[in-house]
Amino acid sequence: NAGVTQTPKFQVLKTGQSMTLQCAQDMNHEYMSWYRQDPGMGLRLIHYSVGAGITDQGEVPNGYNVSRSTTEDFPLRLLSAAPSQTSVYFCASSPEYQETQYFGPGTRLLVL
Amino acid sequence: KQEVTQIPAALSVPEGENLVLNCSFTDSAIYNLQWFRQDPGKGLTSLLLIQSSQREQTSGRLNASLDKSSGRSTLYIAASQPGDSATYLCAVRPGGSEKLVFGKGTKLTVNP
Repeated sequence: NAGVTQTPKFQVLKTGQSMTLQCAQDMNHEYMSWYRQDPGMGLRLIHYSVGAGITDQGEVPNGYNVSRSTTEDFPLRLLSAAPSQTSVYFCASSPEYQETQYFGPGTRLLVL
Repeated sequence: KQEVTQIPAALSVPEGENLVLNCSFTDSAIYNLQWFRQDPGKGLTSLLLIQSSQREQTSGRLNASLDKSSGRSTLYIAASQPGDSATYLCAVRPGGSEKLVFGKGTKLTVNP
């Protein structure tokens, strides 16, 4: 199993540009989530999904969209990038929401 | 609102020492608690998950305890090694919630 994969590893955007961060898992996990990690702020939940077709907001959802059309994929869309969205983004999955979380390697995003 | 605190933010010890990392949370109504390890520039790796009904979990040289009533958990690392150097994060899942709440982590350095 590849586990949780994220692409790209690193991205530079200009303010106002849009992009999609990809996340995929091959473990047939129902629960998937997106976090951002910033110095001094820890990990904060952006959006999560308890199964295909179901998504919900986390702590910091503004400026981000998600969809879950398949069990395997959970892309995160930045609608109009802002410098405040410069961060490291992590995707995680688990069989059910209350079980052990498996994290991807992260995507470093720089918004100029 | 659940808050998770990890003190100290950084810890440096000589190789071979036994050590304890601390995690406290403000609301004792949790479903479970997880300890993670994060190496620089990498994703998170789950170390131990303790259910709210459990008092401790062990994996190799690691032992995590949970005192739900006092809102505290500790991660005990026996016979520390330089390879244990990493940031250790604690996360709680509030009861009835599909979201994890993370502490900001303790950066551990084990000196040869």
